[in-house]
Amino acid sequence: AQSVTQLDSQVPVFEEAPVELRCNYSSSVSVYLFWYVQYPNQGLQLLLKYLSGSTLVKGINGFEAEFNKSQTSFHLRKPSVHISDTAEYFCAVSERRNNDMRFGAGTRLTVKP
Amino acid sequence: DGGITQSPKYLFRKEGQNVTLSCEQNLNHDAMYWYRQDPGQGLRLIYYSQIVNDFQKGDIAEGYSVSREKKESFPLTVTSAQKNPTAFYLCASSRAGGYTFGSGTRLTVV
Repeated sequence: AQSVTQLDSQVPVFEEAPVELRCNYSSSVSVYLFWYVQYPNQGLQLLLKYLSGSTLVKGINGFEAEFNKSQTSFHLRKPSVHISDTAEYFCAVSERRNNDMRFGAGTRLTVKP
Repeated sequence: DGGITQSPKYLFRKEGQNVTLSCEQNLNHDAMYWYRQDPGQGLRLIYYSQIVNDFQKGDIAEGYSVSREKKESFPLTVTSAQKNPTAFYLCASSRAGGYTFGSGTRLTVV
């Protein structure tokens, strides 16, 4: 079965700095990859997803991620963060043959003024 | 607009009580899921259903029960057998290519 590792549990950054949230996955078959964002006491909102095609995926709120098959990674990046980006971010993977999605433990992004 | 509605947003349970969390979707998705979220532990799968009148246990099903009598609805009952029910509960539905989540129910044992 597939699994996901988010390499950083907490990432503090200053406003307008760039940020990268790291995600590695393992699976023996082809996968779909996702990033979700969760604000306090809310559900998860889809930021972006990789299904096929270009390995560089652009999402909402200025985020992007790059699928690297050889390194089994799907890191999330933003060139300049805002205070409003403070939230929990979850990486997820599902195998193409089924709809079973597995989530990482989450990364808490804190943007400081 | 289509989406998933979870209710109530906050729920308090006394020791020994069963409580039911509601999850309704109008996305015409076949599959629905219940997750439990605890601080620092990400999302853990409780139950899922791929089709009406069928459901499967997830990783932490003990102390929980579900039903799927209608495509739109997937209620979760937290029974008295669940010894540590205080958590944030998330419902989701899916079609190929990703999940859509509700806004969650925070359950607290008092």
